[in-house]
Amino acid sequence: NAGVTQTPKFQVLKTGQSMTLQCAQDMNHEYMSWYRQDPGMGLRLIHYSVGAGITDQGEVPNGYNVSRSTTEDFPLRLLSAAPSQTSVYFCASRGAQAYTFGSGTRLTVV
Amino acid sequence: GENVEQHPSTLSVQEGDSAVIKCTYSDSASNYFPWYKQELGKGPQLIIDIRSNVGEKKDQRIAVTLNKTAKHFSLHITETQPEDSAVYFCAATPGNTPLVFGKGTRLSVIA
Repeated sequence: NAGVTQTPKFQVLKTGQSMTLQCAQDMNHEYMSWYRQDPGMGLRLIHYSVGAGITDQGEVPNGYNVSRSTTEDFPLRLLSAAPSQTSVYFCASRGAQAYTFGSGTRLTVV
Repeated sequence: GENVEQHPSTLSVQEGDSAVIKCTYSDSASNYFPWYKQELGKGPQLIIDIRSNVGEKKDQRIAVTLNKTAKHFSLHITETQPEDSAVYFCAATPGNTPLVFGKGTRLSVIA
């Protein structure tokens, strides 16, 4: 099925651990982005990419790293997890203008 | 940059009544205004969008209106049903820049 696939769906990390959230899309979209969703805060942009080899920071980039080596994949790396990074993370890709979101990764940092 | 304000944060309506959610934006260059519906445990899903050259758009029970002069746009849901219960997000962008989202409205439709 066409769409955006995120893995894992759930993750618990200890403070200081690192991990990578995976995102893949099969719609040949050039644009991909990562958002985090916190209660009462809506969706805040972490990083985005307009194509392979190009990435840029969003509103809340600190503590996160991204790379875009292929059109299909846009992984999000947490370098040293902190409790403030407990959130639900959504990856999205964009066609003409409409965004398609993945189903999210719920991350808890203890 | 763009800033999007969304009201109300929560909304309860009786089944069959109408629901209206309003958003304002700050960047007069914004030209694309989508609305997303997020059900529990799922990612946001596009339900309707409007571009700045159009004042209103309808899709069955859902409509969106845009007032460029006042820089606000609204989502209207008529004949609400229990399955309309969800969190709704508005968003705006000037074009080839990332979407900026409002903080969401939790709609509850009471049977």
